[in-house]
Amino acid sequence: GIQVEQSPPDLILQEGANSTLRCNFSDSVNNLQWFHQNPWGQLINLFYIPSGTKQNGRLSATTVATERYSLLYISSSQTTDSGVYFCAVDPSAGGNNRLAFGKGNQVVVIP
Amino acid sequence: SAVISQKPSRDICQRGTSLTIQCQVDSQVTMMFWYRQQPGQSLTLIATANQGSEATYESGFVIDKFPISRPNLTFSTLTVSNMSPEDSSIYLCSVRLISYNEQFFGPGTRLTVL
Repeated sequence: GIQVEQSPPDLILQEGANSTLRCNFSDSVNNLQWFHQNPWGQLINLFYIPSGTKQNGRLSATTVATERYSLLYISSSQTTDSGVYFCAVDPSAGGNNRLAFGKGNQVVVIP
Repeated sequence: SAVISQKPSRDICQRGTSLTIQCQVDSQVTMMFWYRQQPGQSLTLIATANQGSEATYESGFVIDKFPISRPNLTFSTLTVSNMSPEDSSIYLCSVRLISYNEQFFGPGTRLTVL
């Protein structure tokens, strides 16, 4: 099946700092999503971004489908940004509309 | 988006017992899924819940252990049968809406098996 690799696995940020999270995938996809799992376990949809660039407040994401990677940018980080960020993809071929998840980026923002 | 509710939100169960988790969506959906997240791990797909027919299970998951029902477009249940401490996880319902390719997740059911 498709492989999804996220880096870095762990990240500690000072409040106000910027960061970039990366997601590499091994095959072409027709769906790519970024989620934030807060400390209570809730998965929050951040971006649906199989290609191109999107921005939502302090967060933005870029997917370069031809090179099989996606980036999530966090600017001016806040303590509420802490949690795990997951990249999930649905392969174009044989995916059967099933999302495959990476192992996540654990982010801790300290005041 | 969709409003997805799950019941119960958490439970503590004895080994050997079974627990049924309910998932209700406020919109018409095309697909419903059940995921498991073991402590400190990523999400793993258990099965796709099919309306009016048997669920489609992923490798490593079987119907006898995780029976699933989906009687209509907006409701599904997952049962965790004959539980052991290794079943302690968060179980999440997920849906895709009609006309959308984006997937949404419920709040999860946090299960602890003693």
